[in-house]
Amino acid sequence: GAGVSQSPSNKVTEKGKDVELRCDPISGHTALYWYRQSLGQGLEFLIYFQGNSAPDKSGLPSDRFSAERTGGSVSTLTIQRTQQEDSAVYLCASSLARDRGYEQYFGPGTRLTVT
Amino acid sequence: AQKVTQAQTEISVVEKEDVTLDCVYETRDTTYYLFWYKQPPSGELVFLIRRNSFDEQNEISGRYSWNFQKSTSSFNFTITASQVVDSAVYFCALSEALRGAQKLVFGQGTRLTINP
Repeated sequence: GAGVSQSPSNKVTEKGKDVELRCDPISGHTALYWYRQSLGQGLEFLIYFQGNSAPDKSGLPSDRFSAERTGGSVSTLTIQRTQQEDSAVYLCASSLARDRGYEQYFGPGTRLTVT
Repeated sequence: AQKVTQAQTEISVVEKEDVTLDCVYETRDTTYYLFWYKQPPSGELVFLIRRNSFDEQNEISGRYSWNFQKSTSSFNFTITASQVVDSAVYFCALSEALRGAQKLVFGQGTRLTINP
């Protein structure tokens, strides 16, 4: 079956502009996660959605970052007024259930470059 | 606080050698899950294995094996008879069972290069 898909695969934007990154999870997966991978910080958790529960936003680095998940499926991560330190690969993952033991399947990522 | 340490930043071996990637973790919980992921040059993270904290049985899958030892808080990964296709960055990760989110806490990764 289809895996997690993300778009765009690459995004170059000017400092100060807003960007939207999209994630399509695996069909039937109720949990969705966003992570960020950068050279200096490694892989960092950003936000987690599970069903209709309130998302866990504890990993968002600033209020310029937000995310939503519509209809329990597709998610969009929005970064407002981008800064150069936002440059990173943004990874989306999904898993089957709330059970903490379920493995997360990752998408190919969106490489964001802020100039 | 949760923490995962992969002390080996880079490892380089010749094909057919055995290689072990180390992973040490810290957690306050008694119930938790440990994972290994592979990130090949293409960039996509590939799930390899999951263990829960109650199952200390070692696992073997083909040329891959994992040694989980709670006494030393380690979850090491061994590749036997390494191949060039094993070249990748390998991440160890921890997920706590009792917290609100199932977020993964990753180690910094070990870049493994298998030379022909």
